[in-house]
Amino acid sequence: AQKVTQAQTEISVVEKEDVTLDCVYETRDTTYYLFWYKQPPSGELVFLIRRNSFDEQNEISGRYSWNFQKSTSSFNFTITASQVVDSAVYFCALSTNNYGQNFVFGPGTRLSVLP
Amino acid sequence: DSGVTQTPKHLITATGQRVTLRCSPRSGDLSVYWYQQSLDQGLQFLIQYYNGEERAKGNILERFSAQQFPDLHSELNLSSLELGDSALYFCASSDPGRALNTGELFFGEGSRLTVL
Repeated sequence: AQKVTQAQTEISVVEKEDVTLDCVYETRDTTYYLFWYKQPPSGELVFLIRRNSFDEQNEISGRYSWNFQKSTSSFNFTITASQVVDSAVYFCALSTNNYGQNFVFGPGTRLSVLP
Repeated sequence: DSGVTQTPKHLITATGQRVTLRCSPRSGDLSVYWYQQSLDQGLQFLIQYYNGEERAKGNILERFSAQQFPDLHSELNLSSLELGDSALYFCASSDPGRALNTGELFFGEGSRLTVL
């Protein structure tokens, strides 16, 4: 069975602090895809990143970075110099299909960035 | 704006009733997905359609059904509603060609269903 765990239910930081959101996944498949989605207060889900199981290279996009480690089945997300606009619920998700139809979402981490 | 349109945005109904949620995917997207977000179950995949045909099924109850029409819009039908069906129902769409590269699903803003 596939499972995604986000142990941090809620995190509060002060603006400009760095914050890391943890994601641990379980799957028996050798080919799989990991995702991060952001759900701002407006409610829609916004795609942030996809990483496939064959690519453990870390990725940086502006203030966002992702650390994928197969050895620990983790796909952590770090926001550097957080901003108030980063306040949202962040979901980690796992799929064994490239088209995402078998998304298993984690419970989400609510991040509050205080001014 | 993701380009995915869902109606209605809010819906309040009573137990035992039937409702229909509508989704218009992004222009050109052939795949439509339905997800349910509830407080106790979190975000769950319900069903996927591709170009009018059912492609995959997730945790969709037998009381629920969906279809995708020739113009690619989709409807999710929820019947014999129970209190526990209260949730935010998301529709998402994807372009198979684009999805192969980024895996990105484009989500609508959701339809919030409240069953009283």
